[in-house]
Amino acid sequence: AQSVTQLDSQVPVFEEAPVELRCNYSSSVSVYLFWYVQYPNQGLQLLLKYLSGSTLVKGINGFEAEFNKSQTSFHLRKPSVHISDTAEYFCAVSPYNFNKFYFGSGTKLNVKP
Amino acid sequence: KAGVTQTPRYLIKTRGQQVTLSCSPISGHRSVSWYQQTPGQGLQFLFEYFSETQRNKGNFPGRFSGRQFSNSRSEMNVSTLELGDSALYLCASRPGQGTEAFFGQGTRLTVV
Repeated sequence: AQSVTQLDSQVPVFEEAPVELRCNYSSSVSVYLFWYVQYPNQGLQLLLKYLSGSTLVKGINGFEAEFNKSQTSFHLRKPSVHISDTAEYFCAVSPYNFNKFYFGSGTKLNVKP
Repeated sequence: KAGVTQTPRYLIKTRGQQVTLSCSPISGHRSVSWYQQTPGQGLQFLFEYFSETQRNKGNFPGRFSGRQFSNSRSEMNVSTLELGDSALYLCASRPGQGTEAFFGQGTRLTVV
């Protein structure tokens, strides 16, 4: 079975400050890892993905994430956030042999001026 | 390249009615999945279709059904609507295994 835990439901941060959104997962099989962002009344947009190779993954809009297999974590980071980063962020896993995503409960990032 | 298109964007239905939602995947994508998003339950997998066959199904009652056509377009149907079916329904397409899913903007269903 697979599950994804996003430890923070809301993260307030000031503009230009760094941010880390935490994600831990549990899985009995190998999985691919993803971060998606959702703006109000919109679908999900891919930020970045880890399929294999380097454990440090760079995505769009200056975001990056590091896959830590021993800690089963995939935390998302950005060194300097902008007001426009205010949105909800979802961590997801997809098993290698199963075309389905398991999503975390989401983290609402609120960037303040 | 056009993205995933879902129609309609918004729907209001009455309890007991049925509804059909439509999804056109990205050209060339044969896998289409559906997800339900609610504030209480988050994002939950409904089902996945590949080449007109349902490959995977989530834990939803039989009132939720779907199908996929030969051009990969997919429809989702919910019969005997309940208030709890109010949600954002998201469709996603994938080019293959081990790739990201591309999501549509969703259909916001409100059941009154």
